[in-house]
Amino acid sequence: DIQLTQSPSSLSASVGARVTITCRASESISRYLNWYQQKPGKTPKLLIYATSTLQSGVPSRFSGSGSGTEFTLTISSLQPEDFATYYCQQSYISPPLTFGGGTKVEIK
Amino acid sequence: EVQVVESGGGLVQPGGSLRLSCAASGFTVSANYMTWVRQAPGRGLEWVSIIYSGGSTYYADSVKGRFTVSRDNSKNTLYLQMNSLRAEDTAVYYCARGFCTNGVCPYYVDVWGKGTTVSVSS
Repeated sequence: DIQLTQSPSSLSASVGARVTITCRASESISRYLNWYQQKPGKTPKLLIYATSTLQSGVPSRFSGSGSGTEFTLTISSLQPEDFATYYCQQSYISPPLTFGGGTKVEIK
Repeated sequence: EVQVVESGGGLVQPGGSLRLSCAASGFTVSANYMTWVRQAPGRGLEWVSIIYSGGSTYYADSVKGRFTVSRDNSKNTLYLQMNSLRAEDTAVYYCARGFCTNGVCPYYVDVWGKGTTVSVSS
């Protein structure tokens, strides 16, 4: 099975900061990589699919890039509502629907 | 409105059973790839099971042989029968829809329920 490793597992950042989260796959997954945001006590929400396509309604400060085994989620200017945990997920080989371990973004 | 609502969670002793339900509205369960994802307290998301529109079913190794996913087309409802429950099955269980596009199924999960909590403890 394909494994996804996210880094860092957590980070502290200030409002307005640029934040980058990395997701590495154990083998090439082309561009079949999605990102979800989960706020405490809430349901996960799809942010980005196919590496870089923003889901409808997602602010443009979110962006995704990468291919093969290395992917990044970038928040260009962190806003108070962006403090959450972010998960990557691959759809290159399914099942299983593999999720990364998550990156918790906290207020500095 | 497209949504799913889970029910059936609760407290159960180790070795016991529970059946989770997921009632869908705004779309047809049998025409979609439906999945269960769980989240243990303070942990990340873990895929549990999926049923394809054609009826094929798949499971995570951690639940294979103990959990069974099924659906009732007349009720537009998805189920997860959980047997031989263990403490490590304690989690919030989310029902979700896998969206298919460009020939990839599922490409991503686009509809999530609010989850139902399963606690396995004596």
